[in-house]
Amino acid sequence: SQQGEEDPQALSIQEGENATMNCSYKTSINNLQWYRQNSGRGLVHLILIRSNEREKHSGRLRVTLDTSKKSSSLLITASRAADTASYFCATDTNAGGTSYGKLTFGQGTILTVHP
Amino acid sequence: KAGVTQTPRYLIKTRGQQVTLSCSPISGHRSVSWYQQTPGQGLQFLFEYFSETQRNKGNFPGRFSGRQFSNSRSEMNVSTLELGDSALYLCASSFASGNEQYFGPGTRLTVT
Repeated sequence: SQQGEEDPQALSIQEGENATMNCSYKTSINNLQWYRQNSGRGLVHLILIRSNEREKHSGRLRVTLDTSKKSSSLLITASRAADTASYFCATDTNAGGTSYGKLTFGQGTILTVHP
Repeated sequence: KAGVTQTPRYLIKTRGQQVTLSCSPISGHRSVSWYQQTPGQGLQFLFEYFSETQRNKGNFPGRFSGRQFSNSRSEMNVSTLELGDSALYLCASSFASGNEQYFGPGTRLTVT
């Protein structure tokens, strides 16, 4: 079963614009991770934010986490055509302790950046 | 540092056959997790191995099994293949639970 729901399911923007994707989840987490996937290939790790953190930055990426609302957002600033991909959030849940390697993924957001 | 590698990259099998997929983690990573990705169900956790022990298992039938070797390389096996097993199988390695997971390129399995 999917832990998270991502919103929107698809996003189409022009190069240079910002892209914001949202993720909601249901149970307590140890951390939340964002991944990018190009055309059915492997997932590329973007950023990990722990449950006691509220915001993290990495280059053009900004991730926020609100554990009271059980939600996270990924902001990509000044987007490029090369950012076109599917973006997934994944939660390392905290049901009583260690998740032992299990990430629970959302359905993903398909981002298209037009040159 | 080399990334996670998976072999083979593509595989075509017939219903009823069995298949073995291989995953070599990043050097120093002892945790290997496996996932199945399909258009209908998305990304679903299969199992995780650490130091040759299965520590966690997802909700998949017993036809799906795996193992891990002393060098942390891992294999997964699917017996008596069904059409619904057609999917992208991804493995990921991690230094420890609660850390980032790094994914391989995946094995695309097609069952005919």
